[in-house]
Amino acid sequence: KNQVEQSPQSLIILEGKNCTLQCNYTVSPFSNLRWYKQDTGRGPVSLTIMTFSENTKSNRRYTATLDADTKQSSLHITASQLSDSASYICVVSDRGSTLGRLYFGRGTQLTVWP
Amino acid sequence: EADIYQTPRYLVIGTGKKITLECSQTMGHDKMYWYQQDPGMELHLIHYSYGVNSTEKGDLSSESTVSRIRTEHFPLTLESARPSHTSQYLCASSDLSLSPGEGTGELFFGEGSRLTVL
Repeated sequence: KNQVEQSPQSLIILEGKNCTLQCNYTVSPFSNLRWYKQDTGRGPVSLTIMTFSENTKSNRRYTATLDADTKQSSLHITASQLSDSASYICVVSDRGSTLGRLYFGRGTQLTVWP
Repeated sequence: EADIYQTPRYLVIGTGKKITLECSQTMGHDKMYWYQQDPGMELHLIHYSYGVNSTEKGDLSSESTVSRIRTEHFPLTLESARPSHTSQYLCASSDLSLSPGEGTGELFFGEGSRLTVL
């Protein structure tokens, strides 16, 4: 069964600290993996999209890694800010064509305290 | 910033009422989607469309219906709302064309419509 599991479910850190969120998936065949940020009451916003051949991708203070062999991805947030408080969702696509299906994780709820 | 808009953002209605959630995008995307999201849970696909006059049901069974008469517009309708329909509804569009390899594959979401049925 194709699944996407995220950990931890929730995380509280102090402003300025770093953190790493995890995503494990069993989706096969694998096409790409996406990380989204969803603020409370808003729609998800894309942070990164990673294909099979990409190991690391950065977007400002966000760095995503992908290990397609172990089917694991991580999202590292550097020097956290209060505005980073949000749910971070891992999404995996199972095919490269337009008919590819998306599998969503339940998200990690990150809270950054001052 | 994504040019996809949902209205209303918040709606509180009584049981048995008919409601329509509007979704419009100005990016010319062929593919559009409706997702349902409950707190702490993953997004569930309830409807999708590959283009004008194309609509399909998603993975999660839903009593709602959709239409795609124009490329930019993908409304969702509930003929008779019930408390079990209380949820957040997210509309999205993608720039993947019907030809493989075209487009970025990016999925753009609207801000969501929070529906509460009393």
